[in-house]
Amino acid sequence: AQSVTQLGSHVSVSEGALVLLRCNYSSSVPPYLFWYVQYPNQGLQLLLKYTSAATLVKGINGFEAEFKKSETSFHLTKPSAHMSDAAEYFCAVSTLSQGAQKLVFGQGTRLTINP
Amino acid sequence: NAGVTQTPKFQVLKTGQSMTLQCAQDMNHNSMYWYRQDPGMGLRLIYYSASEGTTDKGEVPNGYNVSRLNKREFSLRLESAAPSQTSVYFCASRGFDGTGGSNQPQHFGDGTRLSIL
Repeated sequence: AQSVTQLGSHVSVSEGALVLLRCNYSSSVPPYLFWYVQYPNQGLQLLLKYTSAATLVKGINGFEAEFKKSETSFHLTKPSAHMSDAAEYFCAVSTLSQGAQKLVFGQGTRLTINP
Repeated sequence: NAGVTQTPKFQVLKTGQSMTLQCAQDMNHNSMYWYRQDPGMGLRLIYYSASEGTTDKGEVPNGYNVSRLNKREFSLRLESAAPSQTSVYFCASRGFDGTGGSNQPQHFGDGTRLSIL
């Protein structure tokens, strides 16, 4: 069965510093992977997705993620943090079951930006 | 440009009461989903509907029922609410990419915050 582990429930960085949010997955088939962001009192918004076309995926708001099969990882990075990046981030792996896609989510990482 | 709309946004219930959470999408998506979000546990799938006329259990279906009313609407019902069902509930939908693959993202509503006393 597919699963996702996000390392670190809370990450705190200074404004302008590198953001690194870690995600490791377990999948018996080539995975489809997603990163979502959730701002306070809102739903989840897609940041980026991996679909096997390229291992380095660029998303919205300057975020990118690199798929590393040998490490079963899909870490999310941003070179320079902005105050507006403060939110909760979820990594998810996609499975197909009886014709329906299902997403299995990690526990989430709350990102705090210090001024 | 509504996307996925959930009603109500907030609700407080007493133990044993019933209620229905409503969800509608205007993107002509085939699949719809209900999740609950609890601190430290990410999102867990309650029920899903792969297409109009079908529904299936997810990871945590106990205490819930669903109805896929038509292609646009997918409701979640709590027949006898319990304090353990206090949570934030999200509805999502997903289009069909024509290939049968699973790389299309799900689109989420803003959630219903439900408290059960």
